[in-house]
Amino acid sequence: DAGVTQSPTHLIKTRGQQVTLRCSPKSGHDTVSWYQQALGQGPQFIFQYYEEEERQRGNFPDRFSGHQFPNYSSELNVNALLLGDSALYLCASHKTGTRYEQYFGPGTRLTVT
Amino acid sequence: AQKITQTQPGMFVQEKEAVTLDCTYDTSDQSYGLFWYKQPSSGEMIFLIYQGSYDEQNATEGRYSLNFQKARKSANLVISASQLGDSAMYFCAMREGRSGAGSYQLTFGKGTKLSVIP
Repeated sequence: DAGVTQSPTHLIKTRGQQVTLRCSPKSGHDTVSWYQQALGQGPQFIFQYYEEEERQRGNFPDRFSGHQFPNYSSELNVNALLLGDSALYLCASHKTGTRYEQYFGPGTRLTVT
Repeated sequence: AQKITQTQPGMFVQEKEAVTLDCTYDTSDQSYGLFWYKQPSSGEMIFLIYQGSYDEQNATEGRYSLNFQKARKSANLVISASQLGDSAMYFCAMREGRSGAGSYQLTFGKGTKLSVIP
């Protein structure tokens, strides 16, 4: 039973560029959430996708956008990268209507230079 | 105001001893859930234990137990018989709102770095 997978593992981008991160949820899960974890901090919620729509959004600018595909996989896009966007980006999945925990992927380490 | 507070940036524990990691939370919801996750240096967040606000008994999962004191708004994680592999960052997190409602986000604390000494 495959868990949550993310790609790529690491990424280096230049300020002002755009980046796309990808996530495949755990088998049987239909909801994907994205979190940003800056160095030395806890993860912060970016947004959540369900039925191919953004269902909930945290306090992040419009430069952060996403998409969910019919197979429940998801993408996170960040435009006009800033140095402060350097972080570990975590994807988590769960099945809507179930009891509790979100399962996390290994993350994508984004470095903006 | 912080919703999740973890006051211990770092903790040391001797192998085979028990350790308690502190977590206090702030919410006005009656229905909420509390989670603990472990994050090794590899980066992946590993779910450890969950406590619902209406659960009367403290949650336990193997060597992990959650000391839930609702009136004090605390949800401390107790790890018994520490192992070297327990060395990692530990995060307390909260889900506000009704379980099963589907749409929820987790709010995390800043974490506690646990180091297990041989």
